[in-house]
Amino acid sequence: GEDVEQSLFLSVREGDSSVINCTYTDSSSTYLYWYKQEPGAGLQLLTYIFSNMDMKQDQRLTVLLNKKDKHLSLRIADTQTGDSAIYFCAERGSSASKIIFGSGTRLSIRP
Amino acid sequence: KAGVTQTPRYLIKTRGQQVTLSCSPISGHRSVSWYQQTPGQGLQFLFEYFSETQRNKGNFPGRFSGRQFSNSRSEMNVSTLELGDSALYLCASSLEGTGSSGANVLTFGAGSRLTVL
Repeated sequence: GEDVEQSLFLSVREGDSSVINCTYTDSSSTYLYWYKQEPGAGLQLLTYIFSNMDMKQDQRLTVLLNKKDKHLSLRIADTQTGDSAIYFCAERGSSASKIIFGSGTRLSIRP
Repeated sequence: KAGVTQTPRYLIKTRGQQVTLSCSPISGHRSVSWYQQTPGQGLQFLFEYFSETQRNKGNFPGRFSGRQFSNSRSEMNVSTLELGDSALYLCASSLEGTGSSGANVLTFGAGSRLTVL
């Protein structure tokens, strides 16, 4: 079946890079996504990557995809206090209308 | 353009009651998906509707149902509420539907927070 897993917590120092990891099981995944959720809000799309790519960069965000290992990561350069949030990895698999989310990684920033 | 609107934002019900949540998608979006978010289970897929048809369904009991209207607005209903139904219910809309080869990016509303006492 489809499953997406992430670690629950990550703490980084302000100014350092944050790397959030995700693994998925559906080998037919076509798109993989990163969403951000701030307190009291819905999910906001950060970026997505097509499965035939291995890297995508967008300003401070870098997504790396290892399709062989079914591993996705999100790197946030120069992490700021405003980056504190829960980050969700998601995949769109063989059923195009169903997007499966991981349980989210809570990113906290230390001064 | 206006985002995804969910109503009500907060509501409190007691066990055994039923609840209806509403979602208005972004104008032009024909696909609406519903998710349940709880601290223990994360984000769980409930169902997806496209052009008034349910295209996909998650692993939830029959007490959870939904529908979509011709204007793409969607409602979900939970009957015979249980304490474990307390959650944030998120609606998301997208332009594409089943079979699309595009990214099918979901745009989420702020959610309806349901508390069952």
